[in-house]
Amino acid sequence: DSGVTQTPKHLITATGQRVTLRCSPRSGDLSVYWYQQSLDQGLQFLIQYYNGEERAKGNILERFSAQQFPDLHSELNLSSLELGDSALYFCASSVATGSGNTIYFGEGSWLTVV
Amino acid sequence: GDSVTQMEGPVTLSEEAFLTINCTYTATGYPSLFWYVQYPGEGLQLLLKATKADDKGSNKGFEATYRKETTSFHLEKGSVQVSDSAVYFCALSESGAGSYQLTFGKGTKLSVIP
Repeated sequence: DSGVTQTPKHLITATGQRVTLRCSPRSGDLSVYWYQQSLDQGLQFLIQYYNGEERAKGNILERFSAQQFPDLHSELNLSSLELGDSALYFCASSVATGSGNTIYFGEGSWLTVV
Repeated sequence: GDSVTQMEGPVTLSEEAFLTINCTYTATGYPSLFWYVQYPGEGLQLLLKATKADDKGSNKGFEATYRKETTSFHLEKGSVQVSDSAVYFCALSESGAGSYQLTFGKGTKLSVIP
């Protein structure tokens, strides 16, 4: 158990809908990351927050947004969903934001868009 | 930009065989290097890491040495077990870029047969 908690574990929704994925980082970790894992794209970095502020953006679509709240939990919002958004979405956390810091991953949220 | 290249899979080995999964990287600065493992149906787990040249990371019988001269971080294990069957991801985290998200390789699926 990494200590990173993600909900829901599985989600099936229709095209055009909006979903919210939730993440609680490990106790004491200030940095939260979101990654998307799909068969064709592999593991893609989406976005990072550090202590409530956006720190870096990766390949995140405009239809997607995220935020980190004062209690440090984070949410990833996916809207106007398309079939191609079906993927495993990982949240991860680390104590700080240095390159040597270990990043711990949650078990992921499986999103299926039908 | 940063990139990680790892050997294509799948790799199938008999129990107690020697394992090598090759990983090379491209980075502009001085990255930290990681191996993550994903067991079937589970999230990503950190297997080992190295933060500077010539460091050796090790865990659960797996080893990898940070070779700056060859920009490589090959994963090795002397005697694999059926329980090692998983997908292995090589990753780097760049220092000096202001944010330290992981860049992953495409993953190598390992199957160990009795």
